[in-house]
Amino acid sequence: DAGVIQSPRHEVTEMGQEVTLRCKPISGHDYLFWYRQTMMRGLELLIYFNNNVPIDDSGMPEDRFSAKMPNASFSTLKIQPSEPRDSAVYFCASRTGENEKLFFGSGTQLSVL
Amino acid sequence: RKEVEQDPGPFNVPEGATVAFNCTYSNSASQSFFWYRQDCRKEPKLLMSVYSSGNEDGRFTAQLNRASQYISLLIRDSKLSDSATYLCVVNFFNDYKLSFGAGTTVTVRA
Repeated sequence: DAGVIQSPRHEVTEMGQEVTLRCKPISGHDYLFWYRQTMMRGLELLIYFNNNVPIDDSGMPEDRFSAKMPNASFSTLKIQPSEPRDSAVYFCASRTGENEKLFFGSGTQLSVL
Repeated sequence: RKEVEQDPGPFNVPEGATVAFNCTYSNSASQSFFWYRQDCRKEPKLLMSVYSSGNEDGRFTAQLNRASQYISLLIRDSKLSDSATYLCVVNFFNDYKLSFGAGTTVTVRA
């Protein structure tokens, strides 16, 4: 079974550039989550979707961040413009409504120079 | 005060030893509790759920103390492969948002 698939695995960009992170959840999972992990703050929930609808985006740090889920098999997290403090590992995760087990993708290591 | 607090460690133990550590949480109404494991440069993976009565999964034992608002994880007969960061995870409001602790690092040496 394919797990949660994220791309790219690594992204290096310059300050001010637009960054788009991609995620394909596990088929049949109707909840999708975007997390960010840093040494200083640990794992933080940015936003989550249910049936492609954003439910809670209170963790999105500011307007530079946006997330979409156009269909059940694809989601994007966009940062525009990017800043050095956005450097982190971004994880996408998915689950069903019935099972609390959260499945994470391999993450995207983002470095903003 | 952080919602979920963990001793960061590291706990350095020899193979075969027993290691245990706790996690405290801030909300007494918290509903669900979990331990996730994260290997270096990898994604977190569910290790086990934590039930009110306590539960075991092989060499791993999890306990919940609601009165003192902490959960614990005990690893018996440590293996080299147990070296990882263990994340304490709490669902505060029985919704779909999980709060993660910063993790406790365990290193098992030969």
